Amino acid sequence: KAGVTQTPRYLIKTRGQQVTLSCSPISGHRSVSWYQQTPGQGLQFLFEYFSETQRNKGNFPGRFSGRQFSNSRSEMNVSTLELGDSALYLCASSLEVRWRPRTEAFFGQGTRLTVV
Amino acid sequence: DAKTTQPPSMDCAEGRAANLPCNHSTISGNEYVYWYRQIHSQGPQYIIHGLKNNETNEMASLIITEDRKSSTLILPHATLRDTAVYYCIVRVAPSSNTGKLIFGQGTTLQVKP
Repeated sequence: KAGVTQTPRYLIKTRGQQVTLSCSPISGHRSVSWYQQTPGQGLQFLFEYFSETQRNKGNFPGRFSGRQFSNSRSEMNVSTLELGDSALYLCASSLEVRWRPRTEAFFGQGTRLTVV
Repeated sequence: DAKTTQPPSMDCAEGRAANLPCNHSTISGNEYVYWYRQIHSQGPQYIIHGLKNNETNEMASLIITEDRKSSTLILPHATLRDTAVYYCIVRVAPSSNTGKLIFGQGTTLQVKP
């Protein structure tokens, strides 16, 4: 079955602009998480959505937001872009079932955002 | 979630077993040990996870000490394609925080010919 799909793969934006990144999870997965990866800070959790509700949020400013649609697809938005927002943004989806321990997260290839 | 400590880098000869250690001395009884790896410029890939028993799958084996304070990921016959950053993560499953993975700096494994 198809994996996690992130679009676009590469993006160049100017400071002050806003950007929207998209993530399509594996079919049947209702949990979608977003991560930012930079050389200095490594992989950092941004937020998680489950059934269209934000379930958890990392320590990022309010310029970073997200949402999830009824088909589990998710978008994240960064407003008023700063140079420091240049990073690889990764999306992960997971299947959750109550009667067994949490299954693994499947990551997409990421969107490489460059802010100039 | 408990904190983990991993060596920053390791080398391994191609065809030999790669043993990657992880310390998680503050692990709680309901926390699982997960391993992921990230090959350059790709998204992290799940490898294996376990609670207290040793686990094996087609990719690797996970050995967890009896006191659960440390674990070792074993790649039985490392290949050049196993060169990656390996992350050891401890997390509770399931809970309201189940979607959140806390990545440390990981171990960069270099497999050499």
